[in-house]
Amino acid sequence: DTGVSQDPRHKITKRGQNVTFRCDPISEHNRLYWYRQTLGQGPEFLTYFQNEAQLEKSRLLSDRFSAERPKGSFSTLEIQRTEQGDSAMYLCASSPGNSPLHFGNGTRLTVT
Amino acid sequence: AQTVTQSQPEMSVQEAETVTLSCTYDTSESDYYLFWYKQPPSRQMILVIRQEAYKQQNATENRFSVNFQKAAKSFSLKISDSQLGDAAMYFCAYRTYNTDKLIFGTGTRLQVFP
Repeated sequence: DTGVSQDPRHKITKRGQNVTFRCDPISEHNRLYWYRQTLGQGPEFLTYFQNEAQLEKSRLLSDRFSAERPKGSFSTLEIQRTEQGDSAMYLCASSPGNSPLHFGNGTRLTVT
Repeated sequence: AQTVTQSQPEMSVQEAETVTLSCTYDTSESDYYLFWYKQPPSRQMILVIRQEAYKQQNATENRFSVNFQKAAKSFSLKISDSQLGDAAMYFCAYRTYNTDKLIFGTGTRLQVFP
């Protein structure tokens, strides 16, 4: 069990640029989740996958956000045309199903 | 809609003492899970303790225990014999049985003084 891995750890980008984050879940965890955490707040649910199927998306996930999990293993979260309001910590978590989530260390995004 | 409220933005405790963090939630469901997660400066959310709503017995994990009051929709965390390593943000979270979506409170920052 190597834990949930997220890359990069930090990302600074200019407004209007696209960014992509990667999450590698714990192997054999079929469920993968993305959360967003802004300063002083708890994490907010964005979306989750069971294997390669995206089963739920939050209304927070605007059209500029897209997430994929093509082979049911790692996942990517892309933000197009970034805005300053996208600055946050993006957390990934995984679970084997109906079990507590295991979180990664997050990717901190700063949009300047 | 389900909500989770943590009314204590910050708490402090002396090493070896006991501290209680509060959490209330709102739901119309009868079956659900409640969790306490710890987020140290390293940023990784770590599960501290979990409670199933159908269980009347309060969960305990070593120095951590909860006071689950289902009728009052209250779920407090008690940390006994506090240690310097307990200093972190603590988040209360809720999940129904039929969804994987966790709903978090805004967190309580716990400081531990030697």
